[in-house]
Amino acid sequence: AQSVTQLGSHVSVSEGALVLLRCNYSSSVPPYLFWYVQYPNQGLQLLLKYTSAATLVKGINGFEAEFKKSETSFHLTKPSAHMSDAAEYFCAVSEDSGYSTLTFGKGTMLLVSP
Amino acid sequence: GAGVSQTPSNKVTEKGKYVELRCDPISGHTALYWYRQSLGQGPEFLIYFQGTGAADDSGLPNDRFFAVRPEGSVSTLKIQRTERGDSAVYLCASSSGLAGSTGELFFGEGSRLTVL
Repeated sequence: AQSVTQLGSHVSVSEGALVLLRCNYSSSVPPYLFWYVQYPNQGLQLLLKYTSAATLVKGINGFEAEFKKSETSFHLTKPSAHMSDAAEYFCAVSEDSGYSTLTFGKGTMLLVSP
Repeated sequence: GAGVSQTPSNKVTEKGKYVELRCDPISGHTALYWYRQSLGQGPEFLIYFQGTGAADDSGLPNDRFFAVRPEGSVSTLKIQRTERGDSAVYLCASSSGLAGSTGELFFGEGSRLTVL
């Protein structure tokens, strides 16, 4: 069975500050890992994905995440937050590539203040 | 269309009524998924179609929930005898379904169901 834990339902940062959203996973096989973002009144959008290639994955809008097997983590970071980054972020895990029954975490709402 | 389209965007119904939610996936995507997102939770898997057949329906909570995809494109999620606990946003997603793909899902904006 697979599961995802996202620490912190809400994270607040100032504009220009480092963004760190935490994700830990549990999987019985080497996982495929994803971060999705949901802007207000929009559908979930893929931010980045890890599929067993490079452990440091770069995504859209300056976000990146590092897969750390020893820590079973896939934390999302961005060096400098922008007001437009305010959204809800979901980490997800899958145990298969072509058939993606994703298991999502509960989400972390990122709040960015001026 | 260019993206996954879901209708209606909002549905308010009374307890005990029957509801249908429709999903039109990205053209050419063979895989289609339904998820349910309750308040304060992440999306939870309901059912997965590959073509016309339900390849995995292990996430359907009970026999009041049923989904079809008769022609391998549009899908309808059907909920009988709705209960207040069914209130949630129902998300549809599609993917290319190709073997060896990285399985990126493309989501619609969801159908918000409120059962009074």
